This record gives sequence, structure tokens and C-alpha cells, in this order.
Amino acid sequence: QKEVEQDPGPLSVPEGAIVSLNCTYSNSAFQYFMWYRQYSRKGPELLMYTYSSGNKEDGRFTAQVDKSSKYISLFIRDSQPSDSATYLCAKESGGSNYKLTFGKGTLLTVNP
Amino acid sequence: NAGVTQTPKFQVLKTGQSMTLQCAQDMNHNSMYWYRQDPGMGLRLIYYSASEGTTDKGEVPNGYNVSRLNKREFSLRLESAAPSQTSVYFCASSEMVEQFFGPGTRLTVL
Repeated sequence: QKEVEQDPGPLSVPEGAIVSLNCTYSNSAFQYFMWYRQYSRKGPELLMYTYSSGNKEDGRFTAQVDKSSKYISLFIRDSQPSDSATYLCAKESGGSNYKLTFGKGTLLTVNP
Repeated sequence: NAGVTQTPKFQVLKTGQSMTLQCAQDMNHNSMYWYRQDPGMGLRLIYYSASEGTTDKGEVPNGYNVSRLNKREFSLRLESAAPSQTSVYFCASSEMVEQFFGPGTRLTVL
């Protein structure tokens, strides 16, 4: 089993919808969980990260970690066409170097 | 600040040719990383460097070598390119958990 599993989609929603993106992970040993956004033909950029469990909110984006079920979620409220991108979840993969293990990414399209 | 820069942006090689991908960061980060991204496979770590003078293998190191030239620069070398190395290559740097990525190099090996 890969350490981080993510449904690749694609996911298509109308503008204004609430989007839920999800990942599962298999190793509970480490604490940092990340969400990256990647526009077509660009490098990934960090959206937000959480330490341990619980929620973290930043504007229209909310990241949630449920350690009991090993579930990572990203919610996007009032989605916009500019949110159309691939979203990558990642978790710290151990050691002292903050290496990350990434999911495969979910392609999201928000239709005007 | 330019952040993380990568050269070249695009490259086409023939099987067996060699090349070096260059990466530089101006954020004074200690750690640097090389990833490859393939359709359906996500980002996979090739090599990383925790600090100047150190390098370690990641998930998919075979066929690659790296050099941490100084704190700013981390290069990735393909000694004898193979079609399986056709991919988009990203360099990243970090000081703590947040990794900053470059724009990528699109490499095709014929």
C-alpha cells in the first residue's frame, strides 16, 4: 500500500460549489500534512499545512486531519474558476529532513 | 527574490546521451530536493540534500546522480538517458517542512 493514497479524479464542479478533496495515509508516525496546488505546466505551490490533527482555515480553504481514520481533507468554499488546478496532498515521510510523500493529485475543474 | 530557478525549461535527448539539470535557490535554505512527476504517478523523490555537502537517495534514484555544488545549487545528472526517464523534473528547497518548488524541466528521451 502506498503511504499516501489520493483519488485522481477528475472532479468537475460548477462555480460556487463546495469542493471536498480527500486523501488517506498509512503511516501515523509523523505529524505534518500538506496541501499543494499545481496549475497546468507550473510547479506545485503550498496552499496550507497542518500539524497533527484538527482543522486549519485560510480564507475559502479548510484543511482537516482525522488521525483516527487516517484521513486528510481539503475543503474549498465558494469555488472559483481560478481554483481549477491539480491538488496534491502530502505528508511528512520521516527522518530529520522533512521529506514529503505525495499523493498522485486530484485534477479539479470549476466551471463558470 | 527569484525563489527556485531551473534550467533548462525543455530538453529533448536521444537514448544514451547525458545531461545535467540545474537548480538554484536564493532563499538560503539548507535542504534541496529533486522530484520527477509522471502522469498517474504523482511526485516522486529522486534525491535530496539536507545540507551543503550531503546527498541521499530518495524513492527512485536509479539512473541519476546529484551534486550539491554549494548552498544555493543542486544539480541532477543523467549519465545515459533512457526513454523511461521522460518526465517533468522539479527541484525544491526548504528550511523546515514547507518546500518551495521551481517551474520544472520537461525532458523527453527518444
